[in-house]
Amino acid sequence: EVQLLESGGGLVQPGGSLRLSCAASGFTFRTYAMSWVRQAPGTGLQWVSAISGSGGSTYYADSVKGRFTISRDNSKTTLYLQMDSLRAEDTAVYFCAKVTTTSCYGLRCSMDVWGKGTTVTVSS
Amino acid sequence: EIVLTQSPGTLSLSPGERATLSCRASQSLTSSYLAWYQQKPGQAPRLLIYGASSRATGIPDRFSGSGSGTDFTLTISRLEPEDFAVYYCQQYDSSPPTFGGGTKVEIK
Repeated sequence: EVQLLESGGGLVQPGGSLRLSCAASGFTFRTYAMSWVRQAPGTGLQWVSAISGSGGSTYYADSVKGRFTISRDNSKTTLYLQMDSLRAEDTAVYFCAKVTTTSCYGLRCSMDVWGKGTTVTVSS
Repeated sequence: EIVLTQSPGTLSLSPGERATLSCRASQSLTSSYLAWYQQKPGQAPRLLIYGASSRATGIPDRFSGSGSGTDFTLTISRLEPEDFAVYYCQQYDSSPPTFGGGTKVEIK
């Protein structure tokens, strides 16, 4: 069974840092690009970042560029999101998601498997 | 970036009825790279449709997607009790990928 399990969320003060992890299982992790998508309380979905299967290409939403860093360890089948200089508007549930096909390199992708999400709250 | 506008905001229907959800893009999706997701409270989104009209694995055939250019539609032919949820469209035709604001399908 294909599974994604996020961890690392929590309460952090503005300006602080958090590192999210997403443990993947049930598929050949290295052959699929992966994404992070977030959902602020009571609102819709926002794409945050994506990374190619090899990790050689990364992509970011303008709202997080320069503050967030996506990475992956294919030997550990784990996806990461390092979040620095956090702001109140980064408060959200963060989902990791697997892209639908191996031919998708990261950006032009639908996402067919999602984790349950991890909650990040930025507040003093 | 491409803005997706979903309508209506809320759709009140009874089980067994047909649901028609609309997603309009601010620019033409030249490759019809449009997906539909279902989300229930406290759960992750679930992919229903990709490439505007291809059903994802395990999705019942009462769900169908259509459209091209700037106008796309998700149709649920006969609503089952488990179909009452929020539905989002997503374009991945151009960067950055964007989502619509959602349509809530509620029990009338």
